[in-house]
Amino acid sequence: TQLLEQSPQFLSIQEGENLTVYCNSSSVFSSLQWYRQEPGEGPVLLVTVVTGGEVKKLKRLTFQFGDARKDSSLHITAAQPGDTGLYLCAGDSGAGSYQLTFGKGTKLSVIP
Amino acid sequence: ETGVTQTPRHLVMGMTNKKSLKCEQHLGHNAMYWYKQSAKKPLELMFVYSLEERVENNSVPSRFSPECPNSSHLFLHLHTLQPEDSALYLCASSQEALTGINTGELFFGEGSRLTVL
Repeated sequence: TQLLEQSPQFLSIQEGENLTVYCNSSSVFSSLQWYRQEPGEGPVLLVTVVTGGEVKKLKRLTFQFGDARKDSSLHITAAQPGDTGLYLCAGDSGAGSYQLTFGKGTKLSVIP
Repeated sequence: ETGVTQTPRHLVMGMTNKKSLKCEQHLGHNAMYWYKQSAKKPLELMFVYSLEERVENNSVPSRFSPECPNSSHLFLHLHTLQPEDSALYLCASSQEALTGINTGELFFGEGSRLTVL
């Protein structure tokens, strides 16, 4: 069974601070996605990374896929209250299954 | 209409009730999914439909019964549920069913919050 471990589980920071959240596994994934889920909403895709070592930037968010395609990180620069939400990583094993493996998520609160 | 809509948003039911959750997607997608989101657990895939055919059925108790009458609509029929079934049930769609060969985006609805008393 493939597992994705996300850390930290909870994070509360002040507006303007930087933060990094992690998504780790002992398994290799063909691609990895990051979703953000705001309270009362469904998850929304932020990015998909597919190549080992790949770095993608989305405004103040920087996503990295590990060289071995087993882990990923999300770095937020100068966090804003609008960044508050649950950040989920989801890995695709590429084995022909319809199932993405989701992590439990990191719940981020950015305090004004 | 927004991409994926779910009704009802909130549902409280007793263990002997029968109710249904409804999902409708306005994106022209070919695949639809039911996920269960419980506190402190990863999202759990329950059912996948591709072109109205069920293509994956994880070990889900028979008290949950899916129905996909067409590619735009998906239902989850609920019968004699248990309190541990209380959770947020999320419907999602994708252009094509995600198989690892085709890595696409899941579009989620806002979810139906189910409480079983």
